[in-house]
Amino acid sequence: TQLLEQSPQFLSIQEGENLTVYCNSSSVFSSLQWYRQEPGEGPVLLVTVVTGGEVKKLKRLTFQFGDARKDSSLHITAAQPGDTGLYLCAGPEMFAGTASKLTFGTGTRLQVTL
Amino acid sequence: GAGVSQSPSNKVTEKGKDVELRCDPISGHTALYWYRQSLGQGLEFLIYFQGNSAPDKSGLPSDRFSAERTGGSVSTLTIQRTQQEDSAVYLCASSLIAGAGDTQYFGPGTRLTVL
Repeated sequence: TQLLEQSPQFLSIQEGENLTVYCNSSSVFSSLQWYRQEPGEGPVLLVTVVTGGEVKKLKRLTFQFGDARKDSSLHITAAQPGDTGLYLCAGPEMFAGTASKLTFGTGTRLQVTL
Repeated sequence: GAGVSQSPSNKVTEKGKDVELRCDPISGHTALYWYRQSLGQGLEFLIYFQGNSAPDKSGLPSDRFSAERTGGSVSTLTIQRTQQEDSAVYLCASSLIAGAGDTQYFGPGTRLTVL
């Protein structure tokens, strides 16, 4: 089983600060996804990165896939209280030639206060 | 359109009882996935269906866990003789097809508490 380690586990910051969340593995992934989960809800997909070295931007969020496709990062600029939630990275694992499941990272719980 | 729905949203049961958790995927989605989310273990894969068949059951933690899917739509996850360590949020997701490039859409989950 491929493992995805996220750091930090918890992050409490004030509105307007910048932050970076890391997702690391010893295994190569064909792609990596980032999700945000709010209390009482399921994870919601934010972005998928596919190519090594790829950078994707989603408003104030910047996602990067490592050149070797073993790691990824999420950078949030000028965090807002609405960014509060659990951030999860996830990578597909293959079974019989099909991506049958997602392996999720350990998660980063972000709290942004006024 | 409607998203993935799960029922019940909360379930409290006594140790040793059986429980059934239901998932209604997005209409037209052929792939359906069950995951479990707990404080100590994070979010872990349980089982996946392509149509009505389950090619990958590798994540089921024990033979007390089983799942079925009928008509290529609704799925039921059954836990027999529940134990306290089964307490978790059980999440269901569906995707149009089973593939690395296809997005999985998650339901809100069923929170199971075993007393």
